[in-house]
Amino acid sequence: SYVLTQAPSVSVAPGQTASITCGGDDIGSKTVHWYHQKPGQAPVAVVYDEIDRPSGVPGRVSGANSGNTATLTISRVEAGDEADYYCQVWDSITDYRVFGGGTKLTVL
Amino acid sequence: QVQLVQSGAEVKKPGASVKLSCKASGYTFTTYYVHWVRQVPGQGLEWMGWVNPKSGGRNYAQKFRGRVTMTRDTSINTAYMELSGLRPDDTAVYYCARVYDSSGYYDHWGQGTLVTVSS
Repeated sequence: SYVLTQAPSVSVAPGQTASITCGGDDIGSKTVHWYHQKPGQAPVAVVYDEIDRPSGVPGRVSGANSGNTATLTISRVEAGDEADYYCQVWDSITDYRVFGGGTKLTVL
Repeated sequence: QVQLVQSGAEVKKPGASVKLSCKASGYTFTTYYVHWVRQVPGQGLEWMGWVNPKSGGRNYAQKFRGRVTMTRDTSINTAYMELSGLRPDDTAVYYCARVYDSSGYYDHWGQGTLVTVSS
């Protein structure tokens, strides 16, 4: 089955840029979505179709996808960005949805 | 506005079954798939499967086949997920979420239902 790999944690100082990666075999050929989840809350999409943002998500959040790595980039990080971030794809072979293991973003 | 409202917390004994509901409002129920995703405390998101409210078709993750049944009742815009043969490691928050098509993203989620399995 298809596997997505994320680093367990990323730490960044306020105002800096956070890069959260999601690795998968030829993930560049798949459509990647990103969610964040704060404690006690349901996940919320922050980037869909690799580069698009749902309404309400600031422009400093962006996505990219190529080769074997998809990346979520958060510029000018704020304390409110602290959350768990998950990547997700659709595996067309199995018709399964697959989530990465999640990355905890800590704002120092 | 779009809402997915899930049923309340459950406590079950090992071996029992649980049936959770997810009531949709604010959109045409039959135009979006309903997926179920669970999260064991302290762990990540785990996809369980989906039901197509229009056709009743479904697809389950291999891990849950034989134990999970996803259904829907279009007369009351509600999707259901039943999990049988509960084990303590099924203790988790179970979410429903809607998605428009196969490769689409989850644009709305339910609030989650905590299922605790304990003797």
